[in-house]
Amino acid sequence: QVQLVESGGGEVQPGRSLRLSCAASGFTFRSHAMHWVRQAPGKGLQWVSFISWDGNTIYYADSVRGRFTISRDNSKNTVYLQMNGLRAEDTAVYYCARDKSTSYCRDYWGPGTLVTVSS
Amino acid sequence: QSALTQPASVSGSPGQSITISCTGTSSDVGSYNYVSWYQQHPGKVPKLMIYEVSNRPSGVPDHFSGSKSGNTASLIISGLQAEDEADYYCSSFTSSNTWVFGGGTKLTVL
Repeated sequence: QVQLVESGGGEVQPGRSLRLSCAASGFTFRSHAMHWVRQAPGKGLQWVSFISWDGNTIYYADSVRGRFTISRDNSKNTVYLQMNGLRAEDTAVYYCARDKSTSYCRDYWGPGTLVTVSS
Repeated sequence: QSALTQPASVSGSPGQSITISCTGTSSDVGSYNYVSWYQQHPGKVPKLMIYEVSNRPSGVPDHFSGSKSGNTASLIISGLQAEDEADYYCSSFTSSNTWVFGGGTKLTVL
């Protein structure tokens, strides 16, 4: 069965960095694009970033462009989100999600990892 | 990247039908059939309910359906059941090569 497990979250001071990882299993990882989506406490979903199956196509939300970097290692079945210059408004649960091929939506989600940016 | 517009809340009695609207612009909902809907129970992970406007993934009950007209997409839940009570989010691909979500709608089954 498809499994996605995020890790790397935690509490960090404003301006610092954090790298999230998402380990995938149960499907052919190299065949699927991946997304990061976040949800601030008590708030709605916000799309963060997308990476194609081969890593050649990458998109970011305006709110994170220039600060966050998405990448993937198909040999390790893992997608990453490097987050630099963190701000209080980046506090959220970060989900990785599998792209449902050709449908531009997210069909499987991980349980999420909480990132708290606070001084 | 403004969020799509959804009603904050809707409610209905068991067995009734409800519709949740999702209004975007000609740069997102109006231009692409890449509208999807997600159900999220409290403390749980979002679940894909509808993709490409009106397609149901396997395992999603057939009393969930979707449609689109112009810049507005809709999620229709017919024959409401107690377990349908949850938050619902729409999402669309955009002309900026990004995705946008709606603000979410809390469905209460009376």
